[in-house]
Amino acid sequence: DQQVKQNSPSLSVQEGRISILNCDYTNSMFDYFLWYKKYPAEGPTFLISISSIKDKNEDGRFTVFLNKSAKHLSLHIVPSQPGDSAVYFCAAINNNDMRFGAGTRLTVKP
Amino acid sequence: NAGVTQTPKFRILKIGQSMTLQCTQDMNHNYMYWYRQDPGMGLKLIYYSVGAGITDKGEVPNGYNVSRSTTEDFPLRLELAAPSQTSVYFCASSGPTGMGTDTQYFGPGTRLTVL
Repeated sequence: DQQVKQNSPSLSVQEGRISILNCDYTNSMFDYFLWYKKYPAEGPTFLISISSIKDKNEDGRFTVFLNKSAKHLSLHIVPSQPGDSAVYFCAAINNNDMRFGAGTRLTVKP
Repeated sequence: NAGVTQTPKFRILKIGQSMTLQCTQDMNHNYMYWYRQDPGMGLKLIYYSVGAGITDKGEVPNGYNVSRSTTEDFPLRLELAAPSQTSVYFCASSGPTGMGTDTQYFGPGTRLTVL
């Protein structure tokens, strides 16, 4: 059962523009959400997180939005840079049960 | 500061063989985790440990065993390798508040092929 879904396998944006990566979940018990970034041949690295009691968290160029009623979260990257090109995974946690989406490959073109 | 290290980086096994994937962290983290990532899929939690001597199952534990005799090491054992275990395996660790609220630091992964 795919409790966390990233429906866009890939996204291409121009340098300087906004990148919006989306994630949907089905389990309303998830109370913590994270985004990870992964380069080829490396392990994922933590990017940003949000608790279910918040609807927005910002860290520099990265902002995560959470819409609990829609069971949807998104990651905004502004402005996008070529170094942001990677696979982005969203993840959701409920009581030591952590589920990942399949990832979205972001390509930022110079 | 090495962080989380995994060995080997690559391995090919025959069906029925066994092997141990090694994971070591030098950050004195309580929590350690093993994940697998199949092609085109997200990571799935196999096992995790909240401290030395304590382990628990994740989403996909069947076919694997773990032990945690020290804070630093969290080996993953495959006893009878099957083609379905072909995957990339990631080890991770995090601090005392555990999954989610503490950032997980990942190793570079072990690519395992079972033929």
